[in-house]
Amino acid sequence: NAGVTQTPKFRVLKTGQSMTLLCAQDMNHEYMYWYRQDPGMGLRLIHYSVGEGTTAKGEVPDGYNVSRLKKQNFLLGLESAAPSQTSVYFCASSPKFQAYEQYFGPGTRLTVT
Amino acid sequence: QQPVQSPQAVILREGEDAVINCSSSKALYSVHWYRQKHGEAPVFLMILLKGGEQKGHDKISASFNEKKQQSSLYLTASQLSYSGTYFCGTQTSGSRLTFGEGTQLTVNP
Repeated sequence: NAGVTQTPKFRVLKTGQSMTLLCAQDMNHEYMYWYRQDPGMGLRLIHYSVGEGTTAKGEVPDGYNVSRLKKQNFLLGLESAAPSQTSVYFCASSPKFQAYEQYFGPGTRLTVT
Repeated sequence: QQPVQSPQAVILREGEDAVINCSSSKALYSVHWYRQKHGEAPVFLMILLKGGEQKGHDKISASFNEKKQQSSLYLTASQLSYSGTYFCGTQTSGSRLTFGEGTQLTVNP
């Protein structure tokens, strides 16, 4: 089992460019999450999904879009990158929404210049 | 609402004990604890459910005071491998997990 994988691991974008981050999990989990982590601010939820074809906004959704066309994949898109989106992005998955461990991917370090 | 962790940072010598606290203003359903080493993903340590249940993981244990909506993480006889940032995450009934800002723990030889 690979667990949760993320691609790419690193990326540098120029302001205004777009990109998609891919998250994949092989544990058949229903729930998937995208977090961003900035220094001193912990993990903040961007968007999450409670199942294939469904997504919901988290704490900091502005500037991001997501899609979950297949149960094992959760995509995070940045349509027009801004320097404020420079961060480390983590994807996670869990079998249930409440009171269950979240399994994290290795992260994507994104720099927007 | 984000839980509040204290202290923000702690430095120990190997073998010493530490306590990290996590508090919320809301009635909690569960408290999660994770550890993250520099440049790596957060790793799950344990979950505590309402009811004051205490769970342990080797020399790392935690408690959950339901009346005070507080959880404490206890690290006894610390090892060098305990170094990292510890995050608590809290959930109220039906809500998503919300993480605190983290406590940076450094264990020196």
